[in-house]
Amino acid sequence: QQQVKQSPQSLIVQKGGISIINCAYENTAFDYFPWYQQFPGKGPALLIAIRPDVSEKKEGRFTISFNKSAKQFSLHIMDSQPGDSATYFCAAKRNQAGTALIFGKGTTLSVSS
Amino acid sequence: DGGITQSPKYLFRKEGQNVTLSCEQNLNHDAMYWYRQDPGQGLRLIYYSQIVNDFQKGDIAEGYSVSREKKESFPLTVTSAQKNPTAFYLCASSITGVSTEAFFGQGTRLTVV
Repeated sequence: QQQVKQSPQSLIVQKGGISIINCAYENTAFDYFPWYQQFPGKGPALLIAIRPDVSEKKEGRFTISFNKSAKQFSLHIMDSQPGDSATYFCAAKRNQAGTALIFGKGTTLSVSS
Repeated sequence: DGGITQSPKYLFRKEGQNVTLSCEQNLNHDAMYWYRQDPGQGLRLIYYSQIVNDFQKGDIAEGYSVSREKKESFPLTVTSAQKNPTAFYLCASSITGVSTEAFFGQGTRLTVV
């Protein structure tokens, strides 16, 4: 049972454009929603994260938008650069100690120059 | 430098053999995790541990075993019972709590030959 659904599976964006990746979840017990970035052959690294008590969080060119009622959240990458080409994973974690992150299936982003 | 070290980076296993993947962290984190990554499947949780001498099964624990005898170490054994072990294996750690960052190692790519 997939608890975090991510789309699209792949995305091609022109340099300078906006990349948008969407995730949806079903479990209302989730209380922490991070996005991870992974380059080929490397481990994922935290990019940005949000709690459901805020609707938006921005860090540089990266923004998370969160819609609690729709149980959806999205990552926006402004002014996309070739160096942003990577695989992006959304994740969620239950509001309970002793639990682990549950990941979406990932989105492979290619930014063309 | 603080971080998570996974070894080896590449591992080849003959069918019917057990192999052990190493994961060591010097971040003083209580929680450690093992994920399996397959193309298009995202990261799936194998086992996790919140404290020494205690661990819990994740979503795909069958054919795997772990131990947590030391806070710094969380080795994963891929047994012969795992029918499709070829994958990229990722170890992570975090402090315990709801919204805490998980730090990942660089991964071990296991191939059955």
